[in-house]
Amino acid sequence: QVQLVESGGGVVQPGRSLRLSCTASGFTFSSYGMHWVRQAPGKGLEWVAFIWYDGSKKYYADSVKGRFTISRDNSKNTLYLQMNSLRAEDTAVYYCARDYYGDYSRVDYWGQGTLVTVSS
Amino acid sequence: QSALTQPPSASGSPGQSVTISCTGTSSDVGGYNYVSWYQQHPGKAPKLMIYEVSKRPSGVPDRFSGSKSGNTASLTVSGLQAEDEADYYCTSYAGSYNLVFGGGTKLTVL
Repeated sequence: QVQLVESGGGVVQPGRSLRLSCTASGFTFSSYGMHWVRQAPGKGLEWVAFIWYDGSKKYYADSVKGRFTISRDNSKNTLYLQMNSLRAEDTAVYYCARDYYGDYSRVDYWGQGTLVTVSS
Repeated sequence: QSALTQPPSASGSPGQSVTISCTGTSSDVGGYNYVSWYQQHPGKAPKLMIYEVSKRPSGVPDRFSGSKSGNTASLTVSGLQAEDEADYYCTSYAGSYNLVFGGGTKLTVL
């Protein structure tokens, strides 16, 4: 069955960096585009970034553009989110999610999330 | 991109039907048939309930249905059951490879 497992979250000071990972199993990872979506404590969902199945194209929300970088290693079935210049408002649970058609129409499976807390 | 507008709460008794609205603009909900709905129980990951306005993934009960009129999409839950109590989020493609979410609706089964 499809499984997505995020890791790498933790407590980090403002201005520092953190890299999240999402390990996929149960499907052909290299055939699917992938998203990162976050949820601040007690708040709603916010789309963060998307990467094509082959890593050739990447898209970002304005709130993270220039600070976050999405990437993937299809040989390791792993998706990444490099987060630099972190701010308090980046505190959230970060989810990775699969895009079934690669066109945002059907984001079907989500991981359980990893919590990032930005605090001094 | 501005968030889509959902009512903060909705409720219904077991067996009843409840409809949750999701209002956007012609740049998102009204411009594309790429509206999805997610169910999220506390501490859990979101679960896809509806995609492309009205399609249900396998395993989702047919008590859940979706529709759209103009800039407003709707999720209807018929025959409410206790396990339907959760937060529900709508989302829409907003062009230029952007995805926008609603603020979420807390559904209470009375």
